[in-house]
Amino acid sequence: SAVISQKPSRDICQRGTSLTIQCQVDSQVTMMFWYRQQPGQSLTLIATANQGSEATYESGFVIDKFPISRPNLTFSTLTVSNMSPEDSSIYLCSVESGRAYEQYFGPGTRLTVT
Amino acid sequence: GENVEQHPSTLSVQEGDSAVIKCTYSDSASNYFPWYKQELGKRPQLIIDIRSNVGEKKDQRIAVTLNKTAKHFSLHITETQPEDSAVYFCAAIVLGYALNFGKGTSLLVTP
Repeated sequence: SAVISQKPSRDICQRGTSLTIQCQVDSQVTMMFWYRQQPGQSLTLIATANQGSEATYESGFVIDKFPISRPNLTFSTLTVSNMSPEDSSIYLCSVESGRAYEQYFGPGTRLTVT
Repeated sequence: GENVEQHPSTLSVQEGDSAVIKCTYSDSASNYFPWYKQELGKRPQLIIDIRSNVGEKKDQRIAVTLNKTAKHFSLHITETQPEDSAVYFCAAIVLGYALNFGKGTSLLVTP
């Protein structure tokens, strides 16, 4: 499976600011996704990051709050904008790698908003 | 959209016993069912999966079964060990590549 890295691994941010999270893969992948995992909870898909076009967002997530870039087949960013304490979560990217539908996760970014 | 229900939410077993986690899904078009293991502070790891054209799959001590008619699938762990302690998530895919996750099962294996 692909090797996936994320930056930063963790951050503490002030309310009202924005944070950009990077996801880097060591091989070209078609499908790339962003998930949120709130403390003690399951994983919720934020959006599918599409290369060369706008991301596809899930219900409850909007581009103004979570803008996503996907400039090539190995890299994507997720920005969490105008943060509030409710945005405190782990943000994970995942990629489809190997057989169809198999998804592998990056190490995650632990975000705390004060 | 797809709704995945997972039970139980917590499970405690003695080392060497078996553990079974069950999931149901709502959309009959779902065709891929992975299981992830997440240890504390770590990323979810894909441990086994099953596709809709298969009824059962086994990998050493873990196995997954799928009943398409009843729309449920299960994870079976035999001869449990303390290192099996983790949160396990089931998921289902429908309409392409969006994984819909269950709420997770916290498994504790006591020596």
